[in-house]
Amino acid sequence: DTGVSQNPRHKITKRGQNVTFRCDPISEHNRLYWYRQTLGQGPEFLTYFQNEAQLEKSRLLSDRFSAERPKGSFSTLEIQRTEQGDSAMYLCASSPGGGLWNQPQHFGDGTRLSIL
Amino acid sequence: DQQVKQNSPSLSVQEGRISILNCDYTNSMFDYFLWYKKYPAEGPTFLISISSIKDKNEDGRFTVFLNKSAKHLSLHIVPSQPGDSAVYFCAAQGGSEKLVFGKGMKLTVNP
Repeated sequence: DTGVSQNPRHKITKRGQNVTFRCDPISEHNRLYWYRQTLGQGPEFLTYFQNEAQLEKSRLLSDRFSAERPKGSFSTLEIQRTEQGDSAMYLCASSPGGGLWNQPQHFGDGTRLSIL
Repeated sequence: DQQVKQNSPSLSVQEGRISILNCDYTNSMFDYFLWYKKYPAEGPTFLISISSIKDKNEDGRFTVFLNKSAKHLSLHIVPSQPGDSAVYFCAAQGGSEKLVFGKGMKLTVNP
């Protein structure tokens, strides 16, 4: 059973550049989530997809952030005009969905973003 | 406003003894609670969960207890093993798909 896969594992970029991360969820998982984690904190929710539909977005997701899940499979998270405060671990998770409730979310190993 | 609180940043126990990790929450809408374990450079790994209709759930060495009136849950690990050394996160869900996490607690199990 392949777990949640995230690429790249680490991204270093200069302030002002755009970056894009990819997440491949567990096969047949309908729900996909993005979280952000900074040092000393727990993961914070960013957004959630049910298949290809983006159903919930956090206030943390500013206009510079956009997430997509075309065809309801993999997802991408793009950050435009990166700022120092964007430095964090970006985590992706997936869960079965499909009418099932109270299902645990399974996380990937994250993409660590470092802004120079 | 921290809706999920893990008030102890760290815990150290001897191998073979019990580890008790505590978590408090404030939002009455939460009805599903989870514990995750995290090793350095890895994502959180799901350990065990409990629905609000239960007060106890057990899976091998791990047991989670839920006290709804006190808005408190705890994770018991018996017996503790050195491989259990990690950061543990409590998370809650309710009225939304998002998980709300605590800040985590570092468990060290000494041989």
